[in-house]
Amino acid sequence: DADVTQTPRNRITKTGKRIMLECSQTKGHDRMYWYRQDPGLGLRLIYYSFDVKDINKGEISDGYSVSRQAQAKFSLSLESAIPNQTALYFCATSDLGLAGGTDTQYFGPGTRLTVL
Amino acid sequence: GQSLEQPSEVTAVEGAIVQINCTYQTSGFYGLSWYQQHDGGAPTFLSYNALDGLEETGRFSSFLSRSDSYGYLLLQELQMKDSASYFCAVPSGNTPLVFGKGTRLSVIA
Repeated sequence: DADVTQTPRNRITKTGKRIMLECSQTKGHDRMYWYRQDPGLGLRLIYYSFDVKDINKGEISDGYSVSRQAQAKFSLSLESAIPNQTALYFCATSDLGLAGGTDTQYFGPGTRLTVL
Repeated sequence: GQSLEQPSEVTAVEGAIVQINCTYQTSGFYGLSWYQQHDGGAPTFLSYNALDGLEETGRFSSFLSRSDSYGYLLLQELQMKDSASYFCAVPSGNTPLVFGKGTRLSVIA
């Protein structure tokens, strides 16, 4: 079974709809992240959480919100979807371990979201 | 803050060697990571350099020069399956990993 799962894998929705993307992990990591990927722009951080009680905005948080329901679950919501939110969304986890370590990130398979 | 620069595209011939460069500017430096992403897939961790020098893992090697704020990923004996995007990334302790925009490698016959 995959260590980091995302649902749904694909979603087509209309402008103005509320959308929730879900992420679950079995790696036991404290840190979880949501990224957005657009062609040529790399991975841009939307929100991140270093533990259940910690939520932080990333580079492009406007128009998004998150909920960390448990150590294993981190959801991303688009309150009112717009077409320029059409993108590939990745959830990731990491466990920094010793300070100054690699903070290796483990990514879910991605959710392809299309907003019409 | 952190910023990373890497070429957007590289093309190389099957069986050859290719080097993907990454320069970075960071306010605190712990090391340089590399990730691979195939089309339609998720990024996966390749390597990490905390110290200067070359780290080798099979056909892939990664190099770091902290004094030059520079690193590279070296892929040898290129195979068609190496066609992918490669991202350098910088961890910085209590802030998340920062990724470069990625280099798309095309391996041609």
